[in-house]
Amino acid sequence: GENVEQHPSTLSVQEGDSAVIKCTYSDSASNYFPWYKQELGKGPQLIIDIRSNVGEKKDQRIAVTLNKTAKHFSLHITETQPEDSAVYFCAATTAAGNKLTFGGGTRVLVKP
Amino acid sequence: GAVVSQHPSWVICKSGTSVKIECRSLDFQATTMFWYRQFPKQSLMLMATSNEGSKATYEQGVEKDKFLINHASLTLSTLTVTSAHPEDSSFYICSAIRTSGSPYEQYFGPGTRLTVT
Repeated sequence: GENVEQHPSTLSVQEGDSAVIKCTYSDSASNYFPWYKQELGKGPQLIIDIRSNVGEKKDQRIAVTLNKTAKHFSLHITETQPEDSAVYFCAATTAAGNKLTFGGGTRVLVKP
Repeated sequence: GAVVSQHPSWVICKSGTSVKIECRSLDFQATTMFWYRQFPKQSLMLMATSNEGSKATYEQGVEKDKFLINHASLTLSTLTVTSAHPEDSSFYICSAIRTSGSPYEQYFGPGTRLTVT
């Protein structure tokens, strides 16, 4: 089955700096890669996603890149703000079962 | 749009009792819903896939007789933890896929914290 690894597990950045989180996946058939933000005691919220036919996608301060050959994808947050502090999860899935496999999560702390 | 609710948001029950958690899609129909379990500071682990009108599909290692899932309508799935024990204490999260939307996007509920004493 699919295996998704996520790094780093924790990330501390100064407000205004950029944050980058990287994930690798094992199943070459995976074709959908969402990123979720989870605040304490809440469910995950989709912040951005990318399909396998696209190499990069951007939404304001958030961007995701995908390298299918290397089987890795990354989340980039620019101009970080304290409200960006949360746990971020990457995930991967194929069309076959719609089952998401999550990475281990990255705890991001943005210091004011 | 695409709001998923869970009830209750938290529950405390005694060991040996059963507890039911509801997952509702409020503004869309969901043929497929998923149930996840999350331990503190860990990732989400898929427990089962719930399809409306059919039996749930459980992931390897998840006891189907202990975690009963019912998806009786296009907007409601329930998870019943039977004969709960302290090790079942966890954060349970559901998600739903729109029947008429992208087959990929899952909308997550806010989670239910279960504590078994």
